[in-house]
Amino acid sequence: KNEVEQSPQNLTAQEGEFITINCSYSVGISALHWLQQHPGGGIVSLFMLSSGKKKHGRLIATINIQEKHSSLHITASHPRDSAVYICAVRYGGSTLGRLYFGRGTQLTVWP
Amino acid sequence: NAGVTQTPKFRVLKTGQSMTLLCAQDMNHEYMYWYRQDPGMGLRLIHYSVGEGTTAKGEVPDGYNVSRLKKQNFLLGLESAAPSQTSVYFCASSLGGTDQPQHFGDGTRLSIL
Repeated sequence: KNEVEQSPQNLTAQEGEFITINCSYSVGISALHWLQQHPGGGIVSLFMLSSGKKKHGRLIATINIQEKHSSLHITASHPRDSAVYICAVRYGGSTLGRLYFGRGTQLTVWP
Repeated sequence: NAGVTQTPKFRVLKTGQSMTLLCAQDMNHEYMYWYRQDPGMGLRLIHYSVGEGTTAKGEVPDGYNVSRLKKQNFLLGLESAAPSQTSVYFCASSLGGTDQPQHFGDGTRLSIL
């Protein structure tokens, strides 16, 4: 069954804290995406990775292919990081146009 | 550089009415997608297109039709709207397939009464 599980569902943090959001999936994948959905509803692609680690500013995404798990880290969190973070995967055997999405993690960072 | 533009942003329909949502991208992307987002659920793919003149069904295609007559435009049609189609609809595009980052529009909030 092609499921994408995210944890936690909701996360509250104080400004400056280190944040970790987790994503696990059930079978082998060819690509994993992390997306950010702003409070206004817009969705932005943060990372696309198939192995290892990527970093952009205060955001770091890692993936462990053997454990079928990815993490999104935010260092020195800020209130403007408050958003829903979404994990999506392309399974190796899936059709070209299909991503499977997690339900998202709602992050709230308080000043 | 506009990216992906969706029109309209909001719409209220009565059951049985029809409408078309327009998605336009100016990045010369081959792939375009229509998703719906419902509370408590992940984004679900309705239809997608891998190039001008092509369309394919996604996870939840029933009740929707699409057309990609021009590379830059991807239209989503509801022939006879139903309350179950009340949702937020997102269009996205990517240069290649789902191994490439997707660029999303701002969404269309559609309510069917």
